[in-house]
Amino acid sequence: DTAVSQTPKYLVTQMGNDKSIKCEQNLGHDTMYWYKQDSKKFLKIMFSYNNKELIINETVPNRFSPKSPDKAHLNLHINSLELGDSAVYFCASSTIGVNTEAFFGQGTRLTVV
Amino acid sequence: SQQGEEDPQALSIQEGENATMNCSYKTSINNLQWYRQNSGRGLVHLILIRSNEREKHSGRLRVTLDTSKKSSSLLITASRAADTASYFCATGSDMNSGYSTLTFGKGTMLLVSP
Repeated sequence: DTAVSQTPKYLVTQMGNDKSIKCEQNLGHDTMYWYKQDSKKFLKIMFSYNNKELIINETVPNRFSPKSPDKAHLNLHINSLELGDSAVYFCASSTIGVNTEAFFGQGTRLTVV
Repeated sequence: SQQGEEDPQALSIQEGENATMNCSYKTSINNLQWYRQNSGRGLVHLILIRSNEREKHSGRLRVTLDTSKKSSSLLITASRAADTASYFCATGSDMNSGYSTLTFGKGTMLLVSP
């Protein structure tokens, strides 16, 4: 059983389109995250949710909107895709607290053409 | 904002040798973690060291933390070809009373040749 699963694994789409990436965790964690990894492998947090509530929202364009229907799911919807959105997006989850490890999904490679 | 900086950016060694990677950070932390990322895969947690700890071991991994120098090192002993991956340090900091976020460095790419 995959602990943190994301779909799709690959996404190729045209500029201007709207797309969603889904994430589910079966670890019973309260906290979920979205990270973006750029072409130089730099990993940056985008959002953090705790029990369906938004905790962290880094300086991410409004075109990115996370949605958490329940604490096991955190989806990422992106409007009006731009070339610069091309990256690998990782979902992760952890237990609540400060000294906790994060469990990552396999990533979604988004390519905007 | 970027917190950790790994050094070196790339490291190439032979099987059986030890690999040492360093990480420096800028602000106060609650913990420092190391993750491994195999090509095309997600990150896998390796080890967490709290800010009041100086050294931690897990199998062939040894992590040190020097909060006065704001630096950490990851030592992989007796490396294997399967250790080939990118290694990231991440600092854990308390954001809002009980919530934490991880801030990652750019990673060290380790290549272990048979």
